[in-house]
Amino acid sequence: QQPVQSPQAVILREGEDAVINCSSSKALYSVHWYRQKHGEAPVFLMILLKGGEQKGHEKISASFNEKKQQSSLYLTASQLSYSGTYFCGTEDNYGQNFVFGPGTRLSVLP
Amino acid sequence: EAGVAQSPRYKIIEKRQSVAFWCNPISGHATLYWYQQILGQGPKLLIQFQNNGVVDDSQLPKDRFSAERLKGVDSTLKIQPAKLEDSAVYLCASSIGQGAYEQYFGPGTRLTVT
Repeated sequence: QQPVQSPQAVILREGEDAVINCSSSKALYSVHWYRQKHGEAPVFLMILLKGGEQKGHEKISASFNEKKQQSSLYLTASQLSYSGTYFCGTEDNYGQNFVFGPGTRLSVLP
Repeated sequence: EAGVAQSPRYKIIEKRQSVAFWCNPISGHATLYWYQQILGQGPKLLIQFQNNGVVDDSQLPKDRFSAERLKGVDSTLKIQPAKLEDSAVYLCASSIGQGAYEQYFGPGTRLTVT
């Protein structure tokens, strides 16, 4: 079953922060986050495993609330290069039933 | 390190024709995925291989789509016969293993069915 992402789209000014949410109705083993720019393939950002880990990379971090089966992606002090569509992907068993969400389109304006 | 290779990059066919896509994953990657991405939507998993075995093909329209990964390395996805609704980008991805590993995507094949 496909996870739900919110918001569907967001427009920011450079330097502003954003949060993208991903939720599932089933128990999850892992949550993946990818970014896709127009006309390009998705690029990996990070993976979170059940256990409520919060991981980060530079100004992009994420958390996973195992009890709620929700993950959030945090973009701090957004840059123009952050523009694109962000997808979460979920697995409900070890390496199985992987499914991407519908995506959140992020536009960062100067 | 070479990335995931796909060919062709673009293909235009008429409905009811057949088409095949090829993917060569990153060397040493045991897991290979084929996705269909329709414009404006997230990638939809068609089939997942672990070496040369199928892990998940629950969303593969088996009456017209087929895929193989005979020697556990490169893979071919075929559509026969194609329908208008098959117009999409077909993405191949690979990962070092199954379960919670980063997926590396190829550039994709854009299929247009007229």
